[in-house]
Amino acid sequence: DAGVIQSPRHEVTEMGQEVTLRCKPISGHNSLFWYRQTMMRGLELLIYFNNNVPIDDSGMPEDRFSAKMPNASFSTLKIQPSEPRDSAVYFCASSFLVGQGNSPDTQYFGPGTRLTVL
Amino acid sequence: QQQVKQSPQSLIVQKGGIPIINCAYENTAFDYFPWYQQFPGKGPALLIAIRPDVSEKKEGRFTISFNKSAKQFSLHIMDSQPGDSATYFCAASDSWGKLQFGAGTQVVVTP
Repeated sequence: DAGVIQSPRHEVTEMGQEVTLRCKPISGHNSLFWYRQTMMRGLELLIYFNNNVPIDDSGMPEDRFSAKMPNASFSTLKIQPSEPRDSAVYFCASSFLVGQGNSPDTQYFGPGTRLTVL
Repeated sequence: QQQVKQSPQSLIVQKGGIPIINCAYENTAFDYFPWYQQFPGKGPALLIAIRPDVSEKKEGRFTISFNKSAKQFSLHIMDSQPGDSATYFCAASDSWGKLQFGAGTQVVVTP
């Protein structure tokens, strides 16, 4: 198994530009999570999906952030317009959840996308 | 607010020492407590996890101790090695698998 795949691995953009981060979860997993990691705030959950449906987006910083999961094998996180304070490492993780109330399975993280907004 | 509090922020031990990292939580709905290890430039990877029905779990040189009444849990790294130098995160999860991470502890094991 290739694990969780994220692209690009590095992104440098200018303030105001649109940024799209991509994630391919592990085949067979039905839950997908987007995290942001910074020195100041640590690892923050932005949004997570179960069976392609957004379950909780309360961690999304503001309307400039949006995430989609059009099918079980692909998700995007979009920032429009980007700002310097969005600079961080963005991780995607996936897991298999049998159902709410059942014990959660391991979350497998991708290698991350390091975003720099100038 | 941080739902999982982790300490210390950093730790330096000599090879063979036992770094201990402590975490505390408030939400009694949490029912799964994993520890993740992260090396520079990599994503976090699951190290070991425990559920609240047991008080201790060992996997190799890594041990989790869990105190349900105190809502605290800790990670011990026995016979630590320089290759264990990494950042360690505790986390707590609800039934949806939504993880709340601690702030992380940078562990350095000197030769």
